[in-house]
Amino acid sequence: GAVVSQHPSRVICKSGTSVKIECRSLDFQATTMFWYRQFPKQSLMLMATSNEGSKATYEQGVEKDKFLINHASLTLSTLTVTSAHPEDSSFYICSASLTEAFFGQGTRLTVV
Amino acid sequence: GQQLNQSPQSMFIQEGEDVSMNCTSSSIFNTWLWYKQDPGEGPVLLIALYKAGELTSNGRLTAQFGITRKDSFLNISASIPSDVGIYFCAGRDYGGSQGNLIFGKGTKLSVKP
Repeated sequence: GAVVSQHPSRVICKSGTSVKIECRSLDFQATTMFWYRQFPKQSLMLMATSNEGSKATYEQGVEKDKFLINHASLTLSTLTVTSAHPEDSSFYICSASLTEAFFGQGTRLTVV
Repeated sequence: GQQLNQSPQSMFIQEGEDVSMNCTSSSIFNTWLWYKQDPGEGPVLLIALYKAGELTSNGRLTAQFGITRKDSFLNISASIPSDVGIYFCAGRDYGGSQGNLIFGKGTKLSVKP
């Protein structure tokens, strides 16, 4: 299947700082990528749809100024968690699609 | 909004036993996908289904797209310890954009050696 690479896999940051997570499609071009958040023992919650060359579409309840998404090329989308707080600690996962959705490895964010 | 019910929530089985889990939706889907997620990792696609009635196998895994288009099941035969993980079903309806999936809550599988 297609390969989606996410980086970093783990990050610890101080409260108030910003963290950038990268999602790359390695062997295909993705005009659309998706960002999910997953709480412990729960399913994936779609946060936003990242569109190459245009603004991201955010799900209801997700703060667009808090979670900045940039999709500057057909193979790269980034999610920046701005002014992170401990409640932002979570597992963040990106995906990109051909006919099926392929997921990155996930990023464990811990805000201390 | 659309709902996707996945059951059971968790299973504790003996190595060698067969496993069955299923998902039902409140509306018609045109695609069903089954994923496995290991701790600290992203979900990995196991099986994709595109046609009502379709039955597809991947090794010891078998999944079917229900004839009503509102359900799907995943079977694992002769389970082994490495089958441990969380299994998610995901569906996409006719109006959904490509890749915009609705996920079940997951089935956590534990296998006793």
